[in-house]
Order: sequence, then C-alpha cells, then structure tokens
Amino acid sequence: GAVVSQHPSRVICKSGTSVKIECRSLDFQATTMFWYRQFPKQSLMLMATSNEGSKATYEQGVEKDKFLINHASLTLSTLTVTSAHPEDSSFYICSASLGDSSYNEQFFGPGTRLTVL
Amino acid sequence: QKEVEQNSGPLSVPEGAIASLNCTYSDRGSQSFFWYRQYSGKSPELIMSIYSNGDKEDGRFTAQLNKASQYVSLLIRDSQPSDSATYLCAVPLRASGSARQLTFGSGTQLTVLP
Repeated sequence: GAVVSQHPSRVICKSGTSVKIECRSLDFQATTMFWYRQFPKQSLMLMATSNEGSKATYEQGVEKDKFLINHASLTLSTLTVTSAHPEDSSFYICSASLGDSSYNEQFFGPGTRLTVL
Repeated sequence: QKEVEQNSGPLSVPEGAIASLNCTYSDRGSQSFFWYRQYSGKSPELIMSIYSNGDKEDGRFTAQLNKASQYVSLLIRDSQPSDSATYLCAVPLRASGSARQLTFGSGTQLTVLP
C-alpha cells in the first residue's frame, strides 16, 4: 500500500505554546488529506479535510483558528495546534487518499501523540 | 441510528478459530467499504476493501458484502494472537469536494486467546 508519514511521532509541550504536525505522502500525490483526533478508548474523530491549494474544510465543533491546516503541496499537509492546552492532548492522525473517488483507498500516517502540560 | 454501526465487543476467540466481525451502514447508496485494523496505541491499517456483493478473500481474511441488507462483515480464519486488535469498518457516506470522507464505526475489539 501507499506510505504516509507523520512528524513528529510524539511531542510534549507547555500550555500556551503552538505545535506543528507534518503529514507527507511519500510515494504518491494526494490532493486531499484528512486529519483525525483520537482520545483513549474512543473512535477516530474527523477534524478537517485538507485540500491542496485551498482552504481546509472543518467539521462541526472544530475551531479553525485553533487548528490551522495548510496543504501547500500535493505531498504535504500540516496541522498547527495553536495555544495548546491540556485538553488538546490527544493522538492526531492524518490520512491520504490515492485519488478522488470513493473507491480509492485511504492510508493513515503513524500518528502524533501530543501531550500538553 | 448510527451511520456505521459495529458490535462493540469485546470479542474473544480461541487461537485457530474463525473470528466474525459485523458492520451495518445506513446509506443505501454506499458503494465502497473498508476494514481497518488498529493495534493499541497505533494508527489504523487498511486490511481489506470490498465494492461488490459477495465474498472477497485475501489470505486469512474474507470480506463479505450484502448491499441489499446494508451489511458488511470480516472473517478471520485461523485466528492468531497477533490478530488481537480493534477492527474498524469504514464507509464513505458523503462527498467533500472531490474526495470522499470515511465514516467509521466505533470498532470491535478482538482478543485471540492462545
């Protein structure tokens, strides 16, 4: 399958700081990437859809000014958690699709575990 | 009714047995269905996709789809302890621009007992 990487894999930061997470499709181009958040023992929650060259589409209840998404190229999307607080501590995972059809498979990055002190 | 529904489990089977995981979905127009495996603390890994009614086999895994009943299942034959994980059923239920977002079930936690 296709390979999606994320960096960093783990980050610990102080409350009030900003954290940037990178998501890269290594062997394919992705016009669309997705960002998810997962709390312990809970299912994946879609946060936003990242489209190359345009603004991200956020799910209801997700603050777009707090979770900044930039999809500057066909292989890179970034999520910046601004002014992070302890309640933002979670497992953040991106995914990328091989194409624009509903038949195209989506592949997930390894995830970034964020801990805000 | 949830859009994608799975038996939450947990499901325990002995090593070597067949594990059966079930999923129902609400959108009769759905055309593609995916099964992901998620180990504790890790991200989901795609293990099967199915698009047509019937069975699709890949090694020890068999996906079964019945669009009339809006039902998709995953069978794991000769279950191994390494199969112990949470299995997520995912269905693209709506469009977002040019790509489809996946809607996930809550997952079924499988434990294979040695």
